[in-house]
Amino acid sequence: EVQLVESGGGLVQPGGSLRLSCAASGFTVSSNYMSWVRQAPGKGLEWVSVIYSGGSTYYADSVKGRFTISRDNSKNTLYLQMNSLRAEDTAVYYCAREATYQPEALFDYWGQGTLVTVSS
Amino acid sequence: EIVLTQSPGTLSLSPGERATLSCRASQSVSSSYLAWYQQKPGQAPRLLIYGASSRATGIPDRFSGSGSGTDFTLTISRLEPEDFAVYYCQQYGSSPSFFGQGTKLEIK
Repeated sequence: EVQLVESGGGLVQPGGSLRLSCAASGFTVSSNYMSWVRQAPGKGLEWVSVIYSGGSTYYADSVKGRFTISRDNSKNTLYLQMNSLRAEDTAVYYCAREATYQPEALFDYWGQGTLVTVSS
Repeated sequence: EIVLTQSPGTLSLSPGERATLSCRASQSVSSSYLAWYQQKPGQAPRLLIYGASSRATGIPDRFSGSGSGTDFTLTISRLEPEDFAVYYCQQYGSSPSFFGQGTKLEIK
């Protein structure tokens, strides 16, 4: 059974840093495209970043230069390092697996999400 | 950047009724790479429809998708109590990917 479990969210001051983790089971993270998608309170969904199976990465303009997506193959875990955080980064962050054998960015499994609050 | 506009913002219906949700794109969506997700309060989104009209695994056949180009529709033939949620359309096929702002389906 495919499962994604995020952790690492919390309250952080503006300008601070946080690292989110997404532990996967039931499949191999390194064999799939994996993304982070966020949702500000009461708002819609915003794609944040992707790491391809080959290791290349891509970011939304809103986080480029501040966020870094990575993975640890030995732990089958996806990460999102968030630096220089701003109030507008406040959101629930979901990790999501992209569907195999489908065009990019179709998300078939999602984690339960972890809340990041940026406030002084 | 493709902008997806969903309508209506809120749809109030009763169980057993038919729901029709719209998603309009600012430019043509290539190869009908249009998906629909359902999100209930406090839960992650769930994939319902991909390729504009293909149901994802385990999705009941009361859910159907249609459309092409710039106009897409999600239809729920007979609403069940568990169908009341927020629905998002999404253009996929490349990164960045974009979502619509959502339609809230509420019980009348």
